[in-house]
Amino acid sequence: NAGVTQTPKFQVLKTGQSMTLQCAQDMNHNSMYWYRQDPGMGLRLIYYSASEGTTDKGEVPNGYNVSRLNKREFSLRLESAAPSQTSVYFCASSENGIRDGREKLFFGSGTQLSVL
Amino acid sequence: RKEVEQDPGPFNVPEGATVAFNCTYSNSASQSFFWYRQDCRKEPKLLMSVYSSGNEDGRFTAQLNRASQYISLLIRDSKLSDSATYLCVVGRNNRLAFGKGNQVVVIP
Repeated sequence: NAGVTQTPKFQVLKTGQSMTLQCAQDMNHNSMYWYRQDPGMGLRLIYYSASEGTTDKGEVPNGYNVSRLNKREFSLRLESAAPSQTSVYFCASSENGIRDGREKLFFGSGTQLSVL
Repeated sequence: RKEVEQDPGPFNVPEGATVAFNCTYSNSASQSFFWYRQDCRKEPKLLMSVYSSGNEDGRFTAQLNRASQYISLLIRDSKLSDSATYLCVVGRNNRLAFGKGNQVVVIP
């Protein structure tokens, strides 16, 4: 039982390049999330998917797109990377979302992305 | 005012001592409260949920004060392995807001 797996762990891009961060969970969770974490700031929600087939914007969605490919997988795409997107990205999942705030989040190990 | 505020520290704590820190939240309609632990360059992991009546898990005690809009975490008998950043997390309307974290360094 691997939990939440995200790839790659590290990535360096040049400004304007594109890439997709992959995330998969094997806990049969309905809800999945993408966060970014910058120095001196709390985690900020980029996009989330409450259930298979749905996606919604979070706090900082500009410059990103997501795809909930199936119940297991939720990918994050940067179409044209910018230096402001240099960050650590975390994927997370929860069993039934955070509608009442009781659900525990399980995080992947993170992707360190640098955009030059 | 930020939704969740924490004093980043660091909180330097002698091994075996007790350390406590607070987190304040701005929205009185917040519904749920958590402490997550994050080790350096690792992912956050749930430490404990925080209930209205306060709750304890081993050496860790969490309290919620809705009137003053803060939650607290107390660590007794600190261990070297407690060195980490403790993230305050507040939930409302299907989203969670994370604080910047309280960095704890336990000193031998």
